[in-house]
Amino acid sequence: DAGITQSPRYKITETGRQVTLMCHQTWSHSYMFWYRQDLGHGLRLIYYSAAADITDKGEVPDGYVVSRSKTENFPLTLESATRSQTSVYFCASSEGGIRTDTQYFGPGTRLTVL
Amino acid sequence: GDSVTQMEGPVTLSEEAFLTINCTYTATGYPSLFWYVQYPGEGLQLLLKATKADDKGSNKGFEATYRKETTSFHLEKGSVQVSDSAVYFCALSHFNKFYFGSGTKLNVKP
Repeated sequence: DAGITQSPRYKITETGRQVTLMCHQTWSHSYMFWYRQDLGHGLRLIYYSAAADITDKGEVPDGYVVSRSKTENFPLTLESATRSQTSVYFCASSEGGIRTDTQYFGPGTRLTVL
Repeated sequence: GDSVTQMEGPVTLSEEAFLTINCTYTATGYPSLFWYVQYPGEGLQLLLKATKADDKGSNKGFEATYRKETTSFHLEKGSVQVSDSAVYFCALSHFNKFYFGSGTKLNVKP
């Protein structure tokens, strides 16, 4: 299917485990983003990528790792999950730069860290 | 630093009522401003945007005007419908960073 997809949609894990959230887009958009959504905080940018092999930190990058070996994929890894990382994670993509271009969001991954 | 502040919800209205959701921002220079909408269980969708002062974004009956003098981007709709029930996010982008407000939940009753 065309668009932007995330997997898994729901994940429960334990403190200290490594977790990888997947994001895939079919538009060949240059830019991709990861956000977390927490009650009272809206969405906060974790990392973004301007192109394959180019990534940069957002507002809350600590505890997360990203990679982008292919334009269409942008996985987010929690190397050692903590309870504070319980959240809903959204991936997004855009054709152009972050400044003026529309971001298209995936359906989200709800992650619970016990 | 840059930030967005929007009114807390929930906002509950009857169908056909007038809607205003306030949004103010803090940023140096000239950010771009956005309203996104999130329906239950879904990701965010762009509702409208404005890229420079005095621009008016509009879509699906919603409007917002970029007011540099008051650093505001308030969302309005003249007559809401039950199908408008959702969470609305104000956002800005500036210097390759994107900032969202905390969201305002709108409930529209028939």
